[in-house]
Amino acid sequence: DAGITQSPRHKVTETGTPVTLRCHQTENHRYMYWYRQDPGHGLRLIHYSYGVKDTDKGEVSDGYSVSRSKTEDFLLTLESATSSQTSVYFCAISESGSIGREEQYFGPGTRLTVT
Amino acid sequence: AQSVAQPEDQVNVAEGNPLTVKCTYSVSGNPYLFWYVQYPNRGLQFLLKYITGDNLVKGSYGFEAEFNKSQTSFHLKKPSALVSDSALYFCAVRDETGGFKTIFGAGTRLFVKA
Repeated sequence: DAGITQSPRHKVTETGTPVTLRCHQTENHRYMYWYRQDPGHGLRLIHYSYGVKDTDKGEVSDGYSVSRSKTEDFLLTLESATSSQTSVYFCAISESGSIGREEQYFGPGTRLTVT
Repeated sequence: AQSVAQPEDQVNVAEGNPLTVKCTYSVSGNPYLFWYVQYPNRGLQFLLKYITGDNLVKGSYGFEAEFNKSQTSFHLKKPSALVSDSALYFCAVRDETGGFKTIFGAGTRLFVKA
């Protein structure tokens, strides 16, 4: 497996609380992504990063923010968690992404439940 | 707009039989196509990709996929299924104009019976 870890692996939180998920990689890959996986929807891109402090929105970014202060770490924050954000969150990395030819490598996922 | 369709929620095959998992796509430019597999409680693992060149692409674990431009399809195949192939399979597409955005299909669950 690619050197990608996610923490925590499981979390239960209450509606309205902020939550931060962490993705850490040891591959020194430039590109990092956050996805959510929901039944019937496959994976949907939340945010991605193309370098330190360089981030952009994906297709389902509302209610989420990200930060990347170091190459190896990419943080996803739910500013005020809602029940609709109950999901499994995956981090992914790719070596380069400028022309889209590269496969992505995924972390083990974080299961988040918002009550 | 990019889109991917996996028309079957589940595919059932007997061990030793050939398997096919279907995928069709829609992009505005030339497609980059990927297959990933997800085992229970794991992240997705890359299986194979089509970027350009030969329409038949070979990947990990004996899987292959055939790119068909006229039918806008990229079906995943394996000549002889194993019980251990039982998993969730995702087709994904990028196009040359889409930058970082990868669109994933909803997934097809493959069940191989001994």
